[in-house]
Parts: sequence; C-alpha cells; structure tokens
Amino acid sequence: DADVTQTPRNRITKTGKRIMLECSQTKGHDRMYWYRQDPGLGLRLIYYSFDVKDINKGEISDGYSVSRQAQAKFSLSLESAIPNQTALYFCATGETGGYYNEQFFGPGTRLTVL
Amino acid sequence: KNEVEQSPQNLTAQEGEFITINCSYSVGISALHWLQQHPGGGIVSLFMLSSGKKKHGRLIATINIQEKHSSLHITASHPRDSAVYICAVIPNSGNTPLVFGKGTRLSVIA
Repeated sequence: DADVTQTPRNRITKTGKRIMLECSQTKGHDRMYWYRQDPGLGLRLIYYSFDVKDINKGEISDGYSVSRQAQAKFSLSLESAIPNQTALYFCATGETGGYYNEQFFGPGTRLTVL
Repeated sequence: KNEVEQSPQNLTAQEGEFITINCSYSVGISALHWLQQHPGGGIVSLFMLSSGKKKHGRLIATINIQEKHSSLHITASHPRDSAVYICAVIPNSGNTPLVFGKGTRLSVIA
C-alpha cells in the first residue's frame, strides 16, 4: 500500500465548480504540503502545514484553501475553479527533524478545468 | 530571478552516454535534494546531500557549497533513465520549505 495517497487521481470539472482534492498518509509524518506543477514552471508550493493546528500559505495560495482534518489528512479546495488552475497537483509529507527535510510525494492528481 | 536554476532544460542523449545535469542556487542552504519524476508523474527522491559526493548505482551527485552548485551525473545512460530530474534546496532560514528548480527533461534514445 502506498504511504501517501491522493484522491481523485484524475478530475475534469467546469469553471465555477467547487473541487476538493484529498491527501492521506500512513507515514506518521507531521508535515504536509500541497504543490501544483505546470509545464515549464516546476513545482510550486500552495499551502503547507507543520502540524494539525498550523497552516501556512505558500507561493501561490490565491484561489485555494486547505484543511488539516487530522495528522494524516490534508485537503486542498478550489472554491470556484477556473481554467488556469488546470495542473498536476501533488501532496507531500515530511517529518520535523527528519533527514534533510526529506519529502515523500503522493502520485499526483491531474485536474482539468474546462 | 529563480533561486534555483537548472541546466539544461531539455537534454537528449544516446544510450550509453555520460550525462550531466547542473543546479545552481543563490541562497544559503543546509542541504540539496535531487528528485526524479517518471513519465507517469510520480516523484521519488534520488539523493540528499550537504557536502561532497554521493553515488547510487549509475547515479552520482556532487555539491560545492561555496560555489552554490550541484551536479547530477548518470553513467552509461539507458532509455529507462528518461525522466524529469528536479533539484530542490533547503534554505538556511529555519523552517522554510523546499525551493525547487524547474527540472531538466532527459530523453535517452536507444
């Protein structure tokens, strides 16, 4: 079983719809991250959380919100999806004091907003 | 200006060639990661290093902290090495998350 899972893996939706992407982990890590990846732009940080009560904005948080429901779950919401949010989204986990801030990535969610 | 720059952006090589991918960064760091993204999208960590050199199979990563530069080398390249290789750094400024380069897309042709 994968240590970091993301659901759904693929999603096609329409402009204006609310979308939630979910991330779960069984690694017992306290840190969780959401990234988006666009061709030619690399991975960009949307939000991150160092524990259940800690939420921080990343580089590109506008248009997104997150919820850390438990240590193992970190959800990303698009309140009103727009076409330029079409991208590949990755969740990642890490451990405070872990080896060189190593992060473990989920398999990704491919989101298309029409 | 990006804090982490990779070169080249794209690289095509013949099977068996020695490959070098470069990463330069502008901030003080505590460590650097090399990641591999498979054509299917999955991302895995290859190396984490803060000094010197590490080797794993045909992959070698080096870092020069003073020059703010790291290289990833692949010896005897094979088509299965085709992937995007991503450099990421951990800035010295406390709990700042990883800062990523844009990646180098490698295609190895048989």
